[in-house]
Amino acid sequence: ETGVTQTPRHLVMGMTNKKSLKCEQHLGHNAMYWYKQSAKKPLELMFVYSLEERVENNSVPSRFSPECPNSSHLFLHLHTLQPEDSALYLCASSQDWLGAKNIQYFGAGTRLSVL
Amino acid sequence: SQQGEEDPQALSIQEGENATMNCSYKTSINNLQWYRQNSGRGLVHLILIRSNEREKHSGRLRVTLDTSKKSSSLLITASRAADTASYFCAPGSYNTDKLIFGTGTRLQVFP
Repeated sequence: ETGVTQTPRHLVMGMTNKKSLKCEQHLGHNAMYWYKQSAKKPLELMFVYSLEERVENNSVPSRFSPECPNSSHLFLHLHTLQPEDSALYLCASSQDWLGAKNIQYFGAGTRLSVL
Repeated sequence: SQQGEEDPQALSIQEGENATMNCSYKTSINNLQWYRQNSGRGLVHLILIRSNEREKHSGRLRVTLDTSKKSSSLLITASRAADTASYFCAPGSYNTDKLIFGTGTRLQVFP
């Protein structure tokens, strides 16, 4: 148990569906991250939030919409996804957003399949 | 930010043997972290080594850092089947704002 909880663990959705991924951290951290991990590709950083403010958006398509209502919760809203968006989505947190100084704690991930 | 490059891409060994994986990077760092990922799960932090350290131990893990060669190695001694996972390095600099993970080394330990 890393202190970072992601739900759901598995999600299958059609291209016209709207769904949300949820991440919650119980570590008192100030920074939270969304990563995408596709087979045989490096982990891709999608978004970074620090104290509920988005500080990084790595050219992610608008069909992915993050939300950080407070420093403990992070959501990733999904709509009109494409089959190539099928991947493992990982949430992480760290003490603050200067990631190079901090250890990141990861959730177990959401395995997303887009049909 | 810079990405670490892990080598080899895949490694298969028998239980009880030692496993060594390497990481290279391109520019100066302040520290380097190693993470493990079991199949289909999140990454777990293993160890952080600072640029002024040459070697660090944690249980059966031994990490070395050679800043002159811009490389690090992770040694797992007396491996177990439970060590089967992917291992990632993440070089860090204080003047950058994120960690960049590579594709990792996939370690398979056979019973």
